[in-house]
Amino acid sequence: DAKTTQPPSMDCAEGRAANLPCNHSTISGNEYVYWYRQIHSQGPQYIIHGLKNNETNEMASLIITEDRKSSTLILPHATLRDTAVYYCIVRVPYRDDKIIFGKGTRLHILP
Amino acid sequence: SAVISQKPSRDICQRGTSLTIQCQVDSQVTMMFWYRQQPGQSLTLIATANQGSEATYESGFVIDKFPISRPNLTFSTLTVSNMSPEDSSIYLCSAGTVREKLFFGSGTQLSVL
Repeated sequence: DAKTTQPPSMDCAEGRAANLPCNHSTISGNEYVYWYRQIHSQGPQYIIHGLKNNETNEMASLIITEDRKSSTLILPHATLRDTAVYYCIVRVPYRDDKIIFGKGTRLHILP
Repeated sequence: SAVISQKPSRDICQRGTSLTIQCQVDSQVTMMFWYRQQPGQSLTLIATANQGSEATYESGFVIDKFPISRPNLTFSTLTVSNMSPEDSSIYLCSAGTVREKLFFGSGTQLSVL
């Protein structure tokens, strides 16, 4: 079973920041938080991952709470092309650890 | 980053037949996985493709129905055997290396009539 809980859907106005929450209250010390997204009819696309520090790349920022039981993916300036299903996943990256997907959050960007 | 190519991208098949899906990675990877995504649903892991040995199947998936091969570090196949309309789904290949992120192919859309 997936170890994360996400809201099933969210709306965000184009040009605004989209903040997608994820709960992972049973995360263990060696598990990282990964975010992927799936745009309609395509394979999932990697966005970002982190262990405990906040992370930022060209696509997004990842904020992980100090107790690591939840995190937030931030898309700073959402565009219509960011409309997708976003998956939050916990995984140990340094061994052959599979990815188990939950239901994800369907993000709608509104013009 | 790894680039994953899947073939075919889509197919329409008759019930009772089999289809083999190919997954080619442009670099050597330690991990390869096969997923199924039914319409409107999330991805479900079918199995881990182990190089040089039998695949490891998740609960609800069996080797007779979904035989998997992985002859080397860059290639794997998934066969959907004795197909029925319930097998109509998108099948996705995923690959990566230890310490790295997993990448996904664009998927194979299968329709069974």
